[in-house]
Amino acid sequence: NAGVTQTPKFQVLKTGQSMTLQCAQDMNHNSMYWYRQDPGMGLRLIYYSASEGTTDKGEVPNGYNVSRLNKREFSLRLESAAPSQTSVYFCASSEAPGNYYGYTFGSGTRLTVV
Amino acid sequence: EDKVVQSPLSLVVHEGDTVTLNCSYEVTNFRSLLWYKQEKKAPTFLFMLTSSGIEKKSGRLSSILDKKELFSILNITATQTGDSAVYLCAVPNNNAGNMLTFGGGTRLMVKP
Repeated sequence: NAGVTQTPKFQVLKTGQSMTLQCAQDMNHNSMYWYRQDPGMGLRLIYYSASEGTTDKGEVPNGYNVSRLNKREFSLRLESAAPSQTSVYFCASSEAPGNYYGYTFGSGTRLTVV
Repeated sequence: EDKVVQSPLSLVVHEGDTVTLNCSYEVTNFRSLLWYKQEKKAPTFLFMLTSSGIEKKSGRLSSILDKKELFSILNITATQTGDSAVYLCAVPNNNAGNMLTFGGGTRLMVKP
């Protein structure tokens, strides 16, 4: 099925550990995004990639890095996990920035840092 | 800084009731406002509003925008248990390349 695939779906990390969240889309979209969702906070943008080869900070980038590996894949890395990074992470893609009808979200990664 | 505030935070109703969800916003250079429904997992798109006073409708859901008073409402009539979800509104963020700034959401529970 066409869409946005995120892995893993669940992860528990110890404080200080590192990990990479993977995201891939097969819709030939140019733009990809990483959001985090905390209770009562809606979704907040961490990083985005308007097109292959570019990445930019969003609202809450501290503690994260990203890589736009190719047009399909956009990964999010936590170098040294902290309990404050416990959240649900969503990857999304769209044909272009501002193409809101075509915003497609992945099913999310629930991350717990203990 | 762009800001989106939703109310109420949560709502419990019975099947058949009508509900109204609110979204107020502060954004420079407003272009549009979007509504999403989020069940267990990813948000799914409902409506995009750009003009005041023009109602968008899809089945039992409808939404309208007031650009003068800077708010939007989402109405759901004859609610069903399948309407139970978190409803999110969002506006494009001018400081981050048109990316979306989301409100905190309204959690709706519809009881049988």
